[in-house]
Amino acid sequence: GENVEQHPSTLSVQEGDSAVIKCTYSDSASNYFPWYKQELGKRPQLIIDIRSNVGEKKDQRIAVTLNKTAKHFSLHITETQPEDSAVYFCAAVPEGGAQKLVFGQGTRLTINP
Amino acid sequence: DAGVTQSPTHLIKTRGQQVTLRCSPKSGHDTVSWYQQALGQGPQFIFQYYEEEERQRGNFPDRFSGHQFPNYSSELNVNALLLGDSALYLCASSLNPGLALGQYFGPGTRLTVT
Repeated sequence: GENVEQHPSTLSVQEGDSAVIKCTYSDSASNYFPWYKQELGKRPQLIIDIRSNVGEKKDQRIAVTLNKTAKHFSLHITETQPEDSAVYFCAAVPEGGAQKLVFGQGTRLTINP
Repeated sequence: DAGVTQSPTHLIKTRGQQVTLRCSPKSGHDTVSWYQQALGQGPQFIFQYYEEEERQRGNFPDRFSGHQFPNYSSELNVNALLLGDSALYLCASSLNPGLALGQYFGPGTRLTVT
């Protein structure tokens, strides 16, 4: 089955700097890759996603890149702000009828003022 | 436009007991998935319901069962509770069919088994 590895497990950056979180997946047939942000005690929130036929997608300060050949995808956050502090999860959806999300282990991002 | 809702918010049960958790999907969504999130880990897929049937199941024992109603809401039942069942249980809704359009999570039910 699909397996998703996420790195780093913790990341600390200065406010205003950029943050990058990387994930690799095992199932080459996976076709959809969402990213979720989870603040302490709250639900995971979908912040950006990318399909397998696209290499890059941007939404304001957030971007995701996908390298299908290498089977890895990354989340880029620019001009980081204190409110970006949270746990971020990448996920992959294996090909098939069910929209099953396979999550990475999470990255705790801390933005230092 | 109502988002995904879950009840109850918190629950404390004793080993061996049974529990039922409830989920109402986002308006317009017809598919409900359940996930278990242990502390400090990513959510783990339990199963998914569409058209009132279990569509796919993750690596969870038969003690975990579910149901979907005609209005698309769903229940998760766990029998013979173990201490290891303590976790945040998340419900996510989405629209079927086709490529995944993004699953939207509810606030979760925090289950503590003592």
